[in-house]
Amino acid sequence: DQQVKQNSPSLSVQEGRISILNCDYTNSMFDYFLWYKKYPAEGPTFLISISSIKDKNEDGRFTVFLNKSAKHLSLHIVPSQPGDSAVYFCAASQGDYGQNFVFGPGTRLSVLP
Amino acid sequence: KAGVTQTPRYLIKTRGQQVTLSCSPISGHRSVSWYQQTPGQGLQFLFEYFSETQRNKGNFPGRFSGRQFSNSRSEMNVSTLELGDSALYLCASSRGGGQLYTFGSGTRLTVV
Repeated sequence: DQQVKQNSPSLSVQEGRISILNCDYTNSMFDYFLWYKKYPAEGPTFLISISSIKDKNEDGRFTVFLNKSAKHLSLHIVPSQPGDSAVYFCAASQGDYGQNFVFGPGTRLSVLP
Repeated sequence: KAGVTQTPRYLIKTRGQQVTLSCSPISGHRSVSWYQQTPGQGLQFLFEYFSETQRNKGNFPGRFSGRQFSNSRSEMNVSTLELGDSALYLCASSRGGGQLYTFGSGTRLTVV
């Protein structure tokens, strides 16, 4: 029973265009969400987060949108660069105590030059 | 500053054996969590240790265990290895109350 879903295992985007990665969750108790990026042979690195009191958080080229009623969040990368090619994991947690994040299965993003 | 260090990077074991993986967190980080990554499953939470105590545990069988030492270093042990235990095992550390994990590069375990 996957509580965090990333239904697109892979996504290809042309350099300079927008990349949109989607994530859905089923547990309405989740109130903190993160995106991690992972390159091969490296551990995931934190990208951006959003708490349930917000519906948007922006950091440079990266923006995360949260739609609580739909239990859906998305990560927008504008403009996409070849260096953004990686696996992106969405993660959710309940509260900020205890670190048992639930991760989605990941989406492999390929940015084509 | 040094990141999260996991040793060894690669490991090959035979079914039925046991294995111990090590994780050294970032200095000052007291929380260490372990995750298993397999293709298509994403990252699945194993357990979290904070100040030498297991604070959270995921849905893995008892063959998976861990511990944390007084210097915050952590070990994870898997006994009676099965082929399905082949995975990348990631350790992540944080100060303990915050959300920002720093992950190590992982230990890739292959069970043959």
